[in-house]
Amino acid sequence: DGGITQSPKYLFRKEGQNVTLSCEQNLNHDAMYWYRQDPGQGLRLIYYSQIVNDFQKGDIAEGYSVSREKKESFPLTVTSAQKNPTAFYLCASSIGQNTGELFFGEGSRLTVL
Amino acid sequence: GQQVMQIPQYQHVQEGEDFTTYCNSSTTLSNIQWYKQRPGGHPVFLIQLVKSGEVKKQKRLTFQFGEAKKNSSLHITATQTTDVGTYFCAKAAGNKLTFGGGTRVLVKP
Repeated sequence: DGGITQSPKYLFRKEGQNVTLSCEQNLNHDAMYWYRQDPGQGLRLIYYSQIVNDFQKGDIAEGYSVSREKKESFPLTVTSAQKNPTAFYLCASSIGQNTGELFFGEGSRLTVL
Repeated sequence: GQQVMQIPQYQHVQEGEDFTTYCNSSTTLSNIQWYKQRPGGHPVFLIQLVKSGEVKKQKRLTFQFGEAKKNSSLHITATQTTDVGTYFCAKAAGNKLTFGGGTRVLVKP
């Protein structure tokens, strides 16, 4: 089945630690996105990538980093510089540019202890 | 940045009743998308509207794009418990999609 796989589903981290969230898609989509969702809030864009080896900052990129070495993979690293990292992280993909329909993964819930 | 505003933030609906949620922008939109997120789940695409005044229906859901392409609405008739969740509108800005804050729908049986 085609889709987007995020892992881990739940993650606990101590303050000061970096953590990497995985996002893999087998939809052959060019574009991939990372969003952050806080309780009762909307989705805020962290980073996005339209093509392999290229990515752009979204609205809240500070304290995060990404890479896009392969078309199917777009991992997100939450660094220790992110002041309030506890959140629900959603990865999404779309066929290409012009922002058509987004397909979301099931999300990764990060809790900083 | 340029935002889309959704109202109301919360919608308590009696099962069987109708309701409407709205999405407003201060700027003209190229298109508007709607997503539904069930509690504990991830957003799922519902529809995209592109044309001025466009109206699209999906069973009990009716989506409309304003004539000036600055607002959109989602109307649900005969609300069911399966309609529980948060409904988001999203606008395209360049190569990224910006989401509104969502309308959280709670259904009273």
